[in-house]
Amino acid sequence: AQSVTQLDSHVSVSEGTPVLLRCNYSSSYSPSLFWYVQHPNKGLQLLLKYTSAATLVKGINGFEAEFKKSETSFHLTKPSAHMSDAAEYFCVVSELNTGRRALTFGSGTRLQVQP
Amino acid sequence: NAGVTQTPKFQVLKTGQSMTLQCAQDMNHEYMSWYRQDPGMGLRLIHYSVGAGITDQGEVPNGYNVSRSTTEDFPLRLLSAAPSQTSVYFCASSSEELDLNTEAFFGQGTRLTVV
Repeated sequence: AQSVTQLDSHVSVSEGTPVLLRCNYSSSYSPSLFWYVQHPNKGLQLLLKYTSAATLVKGINGFEAEFKKSETSFHLTKPSAHMSDAAEYFCVVSELNTGRRALTFGSGTRLQVQP
Repeated sequence: NAGVTQTPKFQVLKTGQSMTLQCAQDMNHEYMSWYRQDPGMGLRLIHYSVGAGITDQGEVPNGYNVSRSTTEDFPLRLLSAAPSQTSVYFCASSSEELDLNTEAFFGQGTRLTVV
């Protein structure tokens, strides 16, 4: 069975400083991993995805994530936060489970960006 | 620029009332699913469909029905609403289920309150 743990429910950073949102996963098979972002009162938008082609994945808006199999982690980073990055972020794992594809969501990390 | 369209965006129901949340996609995706989002719990899968005429239960199916008569539409029915069904509901679609690298596209959500 697969599971996702987002280690921080809230993260607060100052504008211009680095962002780190942590995600650990558990999967019985080789998973696919995603980060989605949800801005207030909006739907979910894909930030980036790990497809096993490269362990360092670059996404939109300057975000990137590194897949570390030995640590079962897929942390999301950005070198310099912008006010528009304030949102909720979800780490998602996808794998085949008893013949069907299942998406499992982490509980989310709310990112606050202070001016 | 459509993608996944959900209606309504907001709804208030009285306990015991029934209603249908609509979801339509114009990307010819086979795989569609419904999630509910509750604070601190991420998104949980309610029902999903791998194609017209085929549906199955997800993690939290009780109190909800679905049907898939066309590729485009995947409505979610609440037969007798309960306060525990107060939540934000998201519909998602993606192409081939067995392609683990496929991105899921989400609607903008329906905020449902049951009083």
